[in-house]
Amino acid sequence: DQQVKQNSPSLSVQEGRISILNCDYTNSMFDYFLWYKKYPAEGPTFLISISSIKDKNEDGRFTVFLNKSAKHLSLHIVPSQPGDSAVYFCAASAEYTNAGKSTFGDGTTLTVKP
Amino acid sequence: NAGVTQTPKFQVLKTGQSMTLQCAQDMNHEYMSWYRQDPGMGLRLIHYSVGAGITDQGEVPNGYNVSRSTTEDFPLRLLSAAPSQTSVYFCASSYSRTGSRYTEAFFGQGTRLTVV
Repeated sequence: DQQVKQNSPSLSVQEGRISILNCDYTNSMFDYFLWYKKYPAEGPTFLISISSIKDKNEDGRFTVFLNKSAKHLSLHIVPSQPGDSAVYFCAASAEYTNAGKSTFGDGTTLTVKP
Repeated sequence: NAGVTQTPKFQVLKTGQSMTLQCAQDMNHEYMSWYRQDPGMGLRLIHYSVGAGITDQGEVPNGYNVSRSTTEDFPLRLLSAAPSQTSVYFCASSYSRTGSRYTEAFFGQGTRLTVV
């Protein structure tokens, strides 16, 4: 049973518009959520995170929203830029474990068209 | 700082061969982990370490061995390579922040392994 799901394998948006990437989880013990960005032939790099005590965290163009009752989180990128084209992974950690021991979704490939 | 360094970047093995994937970090992080990523899938945790001398199994540990003799190094050993172990392997390190257990992981560039 996959505990972290990213149901959209791909997303294409126009430069300057909003990108919304979604993630669902099933394990109610998860209390820390992260988004990583991955370019081809590179390792994932940390983008933004949110703990379960919050429902929103913002960092520049990136905002993560958490809906605990729905076990759903989303990443908003505004405005989207061509350099944002990458694979985005949602990851979750359970209470008292470290973010190096996370459960990952399968990723969403974002393409931002100029 | 070099961050997390993995060697080699590419490797081709024959079925039954053994090898060690190297991982080193220079950030003095206490936590290190190994993931594998198969095509179209997310990262799955193989083994994990919370400090020198302490390791634990992740989601897919079978066929792999680890040890952590120093804070810096966390090698992953394939005991007898099988085609099912063809994958991209990522090493990661992370740390505990004073006053918060919430920190991110830093990843190496990956090792692309093909078993024929």
